[in-house]
Amino acid sequence: AQSVTQLGSHVSVSEGALVLLRCNYSSSVPPYLFWYVQYPNQGLQLLLKYTSAATLVKGINGFEAEFKKSETSFHLTKPSAHMSDAAEYFCAVIYGGSQGNLIFGKGTKLSVKP
Amino acid sequence: EPEVTQTPSHQVTQMGQEVILRCVPISNHLYFYWYRQILGQKVEFLVSFYNNEISEKSEIFDDQFSVERPDGSNFTLKIRSTKLEDSAMYFCASSDQSGGAGEKLFFGSGTQLSVL
Repeated sequence: AQSVTQLGSHVSVSEGALVLLRCNYSSSVPPYLFWYVQYPNQGLQLLLKYTSAATLVKGINGFEAEFKKSETSFHLTKPSAHMSDAAEYFCAVIYGGSQGNLIFGKGTKLSVKP
Repeated sequence: EPEVTQTPSHQVTQMGQEVILRCVPISNHLYFYWYRQILGQKVEFLVSFYNNEISEKSEIFDDQFSVERPDGSNFTLKIRSTKLEDSAMYFCASSDQSGGAGEKLFFGSGTQLSVL
């Protein structure tokens, strides 16, 4: 069965430090991968997506993610954390032919310390 | 930027009661979705809807659930007889593209349903 695993339900970094949020997927066929962010009291907002073009994907707010097929990973990074990055981040996968059945990870809550 | 709006933001109901969660998708979108997130668990797909019919649904979406687009702007999720385990945050989403590659879903901010 397809699944997404996010390592670490809570990650805390200092302002200016590297952000690394981990996501691994299980799939026998190439998936399409997404990172969503949820700020407090808001909906899910798309950060970036991988759809089999470039393996390094750049998103909004300085985030990027690299698709590594050999590791079945799609980790999210940002070189320098900002206080406004504090939010919950969800990795998700969808398979071709699905009509919107996004499979989400459990989410990682990012805290940024001053 | 256009957004998906959901009302109410919080809904409290008694077990066994019917509830209707309302969503106004982005106006030119044709594909509509409901997801839910039980506290501490993953966001889960419930159903997708296109051209006035269900395109895909999950195992969660049983006979107690139904969706409707009663007019040109609203998209509703009805739970016929709520159970305690229906307590969750329900997210509506819409898209101008079909599912699969390149899909971008716009999500609402959710309705927190509490069943007592």
